[in-house]
Amino acid sequence: ETGVTQTPRHLVMGMTNKKSLKCEQHLGHNAMYWYKQSAKKPLELMFVYSLEERVENNSVPSRFSPECPNSSHLFLHLHTLQPEDSALYLCASSQEDRGYSNTGELFFGEGSRLTVL
Amino acid sequence: GQQLNQSPQSMFIQEGEDVSMNCTSSSIFNTWLWYKQDPGEGPVLLIALYKAGELTSNGRLTAQFGITRKDSFLNISASIPSDVGIYFCASGTYKYIFGTGTRLKVLA
Repeated sequence: ETGVTQTPRHLVMGMTNKKSLKCEQHLGHNAMYWYKQSAKKPLELMFVYSLEERVENNSVPSRFSPECPNSSHLFLHLHTLQPEDSALYLCASSQEDRGYSNTGELFFGEGSRLTVL
Repeated sequence: GQQLNQSPQSMFIQEGEDVSMNCTSSSIFNTWLWYKQDPGEGPVLLIALYKAGELTSNGRLTAQFGITRKDSFLNISASIPSDVGIYFCASGTYKYIFGTGTRLKVLA
């Protein structure tokens, strides 16, 4: 139990569906992240939210839409996805020291395994 | 872009053997993190390093932050079957980049 909870753990969707992934952190951290993990590739950073403000969008297609309503919750809204979007989507949180632009240790959730048919 | 080179990509070892893996970077970073990921799970943080030359242990695991600040290694002593999994390094200052992982298999 890392203090970061993701739901659902598994999701199968068609290319025309709309679904959302949810992440909740119980660590009191001020930054949250979405990563994509595909087979045989390094983890790819998708989005970063710091104090509920999006500070990074790593050239992610608009069919992925993040939402951070407060510092404990993060969503990833999915629509009209492609089969190549099938992957493990990992949420993480950290305590960011903004004064020194230093990012603390990342704590990951267990991931949401997404399959796009 | 920036990337981390992690080696070896995979290794098979006998139970009881020591394991060593490393990561190198083309850039200088302030932090090195080592993670382990089991199948179907998220990465779990093993060790965090914040100073060049720092050597830190966590049970049978030992990791070091290289003096040049461009590399790090992770050692596992006396491996056991539950050490099997994928080990990732991560490094960064403001945001992290990840290595491609070392897949470890332990033969009983």
